[in-house]
Amino acid sequence: AQTVTQSQPEMSVQEAETVTLSCTYDTSESNYYLFWYKQPPSRQMILVIRQEAYKQQNATENRFSVNFQKAAKSFSLKISDSQLGDTAMYFCAFMKHTWAGNTPLVFGKGTRLSVIA
Amino acid sequence: DVKVTQSSRYLVKRTGEKVFLECVQDMDHENMFWYRQDPGLGLRLIYFSYDVKMKEKGDIPEGYSVSREKKERFSLILESASTNQTSMYLCASSFGTGLAEQYFGPGTRLTVT
Repeated sequence: AQTVTQSQPEMSVQEAETVTLSCTYDTSESNYYLFWYKQPPSRQMILVIRQEAYKQQNATENRFSVNFQKAAKSFSLKISDSQLGDTAMYFCAFMKHTWAGNTPLVFGKGTRLSVIA
Repeated sequence: DVKVTQSSRYLVKRTGEKVFLECVQDMDHENMFWYRQDPGLGLRLIYFSYDVKMKEKGDIPEGYSVSREKKERFSLILESASTNQTSMYLCASSFGTGLAEQYFGPGTRLTVT
């Protein structure tokens, strides 16, 4: 079974600064995907960024980027130029890929990020 | 835009009642999921479905059942609600293959008294 660990229950960052959220996972699978989801207060969960395990290049989406270390089973999220709207709960998630199709996500327990003005 | 809707944002029920939570998606997604979200525990999978009338148990299926009679609709049923089922319930959907992003509904906060 796969497990996802987010070791930082809460973090805070000053507006315009950079913050890194940690995520490690445990799996024996070789073909999988990793995701970061964001859940703003009282709002819907949305996808921030995703990474295919077979790709060595780290994914980036505007101010969001990941540091994917496959051998270390680490998948951290870096948020640059933090904005007040980045305040949210962030979840790291793992999905095993099979030829039969996609499987459910396995989520970490989340990191609550507060961006301070 | 993909839309996943849930029948209620807030629900209050009494212990022992039968509770139905409805989820509808408009993107012709094959997969649909029900998660439960509790503080400090993250999201835990209750049930999921790969196709109409197909269902698979997740990590915490006890006390719950599901129904998927149409592709766009996935219902979660609490047969006899208990206070330990007070929680936030999130529905999600995705395509069955490819690098499939899950799209989430707004959630239903259920309180069982």
